Amino acid sequence: AQSVAQPEDQVNVAEGNPLTVKCTYSVSGNPYLFWYVQYPNRGLQFLLKYITGDNLVKGSYGFEAEFNKSQTSFHLKKPSALVSDSALYFCAGSYYGNNRLAFGKGNQVVVIP
Amino acid sequence: GAGVSQSPSNKVTEKGKDVELRCDPISGHTALYWYRQRLGQGLEFLIYFQGNSAPDKSGLPSDRFSAERTGESVSTLTIQRTQQEDSAVYLCASSLGQGGAGIYEQYFGPGTRLTVT
Repeated sequence: AQSVAQPEDQVNVAEGNPLTVKCTYSVSGNPYLFWYVQYPNRGLQFLLKYITGDNLVKGSYGFEAEFNKSQTSFHLKKPSALVSDSALYFCAGSYYGNNRLAFGKGNQVVVIP
Repeated sequence: GAGVSQSPSNKVTEKGKDVELRCDPISGHTALYWYRQRLGQGLEFLIYFQGNSAPDKSGLPSDRFSAERTGESVSTLTIQRTQQEDSAVYLCASSLGQGGAGIYEQYFGPGTRLTVT
């Protein structure tokens, strides 16, 4: 079984400030973790994933995420937010051999100019 | 190359009518997924195809929902006798390889917005 939680509803951040979107997971065995972004009226786009190896994963558009096994977290980060980063962000998780990707409820990120 | 495409982009139907939603995956992607996204909510898994077989259809919410796939190509999601609670955005995604969702990232289509009046 697997589940993913995104505890915040909306994240507001000033342009140029660091952006963090939180995600915690509960997955049987070793987790596979993903971040997706959904811009208005568009489909979800893949940002990055953690399968194994380095805990710090770098992805598209300057985003990165850190896998923390002890805290069962996979928070998404960007050092300096842009207004164009305003979108809906989804964390998702699975494990080897599992067909389903469990999605969190999503976080609306608003970057304020 | 071409991404995942879905049609129609919008569908308005009367309660009780049947609807068909279409998904064209990325060429070469053996895995195909259908999800439902209700307003303000996350993605709800519906069904997974590996090739033209559906090893996991446990997410289909009722027997009014069915899906099929032709080979490693087009998939159709059919909802019979639509109800107002079926109103949502239906998303299709495809990915490489076998072994389930675990390793490969999924590529999503733009979705079909279904409104049942």
